Amino acid sequence: GQQLNQSPQSMFIQEGEDVSMNCTSSSIFNTWLWYKQDPGEGPVLLIALYKAGELTSNGRLTAQFGITRKDSFLNISASIPSDVGIYFCAGTDRGSTLGRLYFGRGTQLTVWP
Amino acid sequence: GAVVSQHPSWVICKSGTSVKIECRSLDFQATTMFWYRQFPKQSLMLMATSNEGSKATYEQGVEKDKFLINHASLTLSTLTVTSAHPEDSSFYICSARLESIAESTDTQYFGPGTRLTVL
Repeated sequence: GQQLNQSPQSMFIQEGEDVSMNCTSSSIFNTWLWYKQDPGEGPVLLIALYKAGELTSNGRLTAQFGITRKDSFLNISASIPSDVGIYFCAGTDRGSTLGRLYFGRGTQLTVWP
Repeated sequence: GAVVSQHPSWVICKSGTSVKIECRSLDFQATTMFWYRQFPKQSLMLMATSNEGSKATYEQGVEKDKFLINHASLTLSTLTVTSAHPEDSSFYICSARLESIAESTDTQYFGPGTRLTVL
């Protein structure tokens, strides 16, 4: 199956810093989703994007659906210790049936106090 | 809203036994649910797509007789790991699809996962 290119693989930042991560796909996507997963838990939906160019915020999180429909980024502003976790991008392409999601490999975020 | 539950959250069983994992969408109906397997420090690997009222669609390499899926209602899908062996030990996660044609949205909400350990 298709694998999204998500970068960076890991980030080590200090509390209060901003964070940016992105995903690219080889095919056009019609939906981009960003999830956060804590250890031993299932992924939790952070932001959903459905239109090219769409910029959506959820508190300190901001995500954008790229104009080419082949990329998306997630920004976290003023990071705090509870932001620690793995962030996954996911998307569905135009040829996908039944809403099948393709995932990035994840970005492991570590926040130092 | 959009809550998905899984039961049990963890299970330890002996080799050769079968284990059933339930996935429920608590506040919405889901005609489609998905079952994933996740290994440590890796992304989610789709095992199968569960369709209410019809047979599940399995990904290549996933044994359908080993991982039985039943989507008996719009809020419940079950995954049964038959004759479990130590190599089946993993973190199993389900998701439920929430689609709104009127709003042109299509999202998946995940359960909290089930940790299976086969001795």
